[in-house]
Amino acid sequence: DQQVKQNSPSLSVQEGRISILNCDYTNSMFDYFLWYKKYPAEGPTFLISISSIKDKNEDGRFTVFLNKSAKHLSLHIVPSQPGDSAVYFCAAMLYGQNFVFGPGTRLSVLP
Amino acid sequence: DTAVSQTPKYLVTQMGNDKSIKCEQNLGHDTMYWYKQDSKKFLKIMFSYNNKELIINETVPNRFSPKSPDKAHLNLHINSLELGDSAVYFCASSQVASNQPQHFGDGTRLSIL
Repeated sequence: DQQVKQNSPSLSVQEGRISILNCDYTNSMFDYFLWYKKYPAEGPTFLISISSIKDKNEDGRFTVFLNKSAKHLSLHIVPSQPGDSAVYFCAAMLYGQNFVFGPGTRLSVLP
Repeated sequence: DTAVSQTPKYLVTQMGNDKSIKCEQNLGHDTMYWYKQDSKKFLKIMFSYNNKELIINETVPNRFSPKSPDKAHLNLHINSLELGDSAVYFCASSQVASNQPQHFGDGTRLSIL
């Protein structure tokens, strides 16, 4: 039973365009959401997060949007760069722990 | 200066053996974790541990056991290795109760022959 879903296993985007990665969750009790980025042979690294009381958080080229009623969040990267090519994991937290990860989406940014 | 380091990076061993993976964090975090990334690339939590409480994912076989000699270390012991244990294992740490993200090690790729 996947509590966090990322239905697109992969995504290809042209350099300079917008990348949109989607994530859906089932547990309405989750109170914090995070995006991690993972390069091959490395561990996931934290990218950006959002509290369940907000609907948007922005950090440079990265923006996360949260739609609580739809139990959906998305990560926007604009403009996309070749160095953004990686696997992106969506994760959800409950009371500061109980991390649940989605299966990841592989983003390829084409030059 | 690596924040979360785990060793070894690669581990190849025979079925039935007992092995350990070590993890150390120098971030002063109060909680450490072990994750398994299976062949389908899902990151599934196995354990979370601070100096007060060990939380075990009930789906983890009891052949797997975490050992914490101190707050900065959480090692993973695996007894009687099976073919299905082949995966990448990630150690992570965080400061709980402040919604801080986890910091991950680079993973240990375990291959069972």
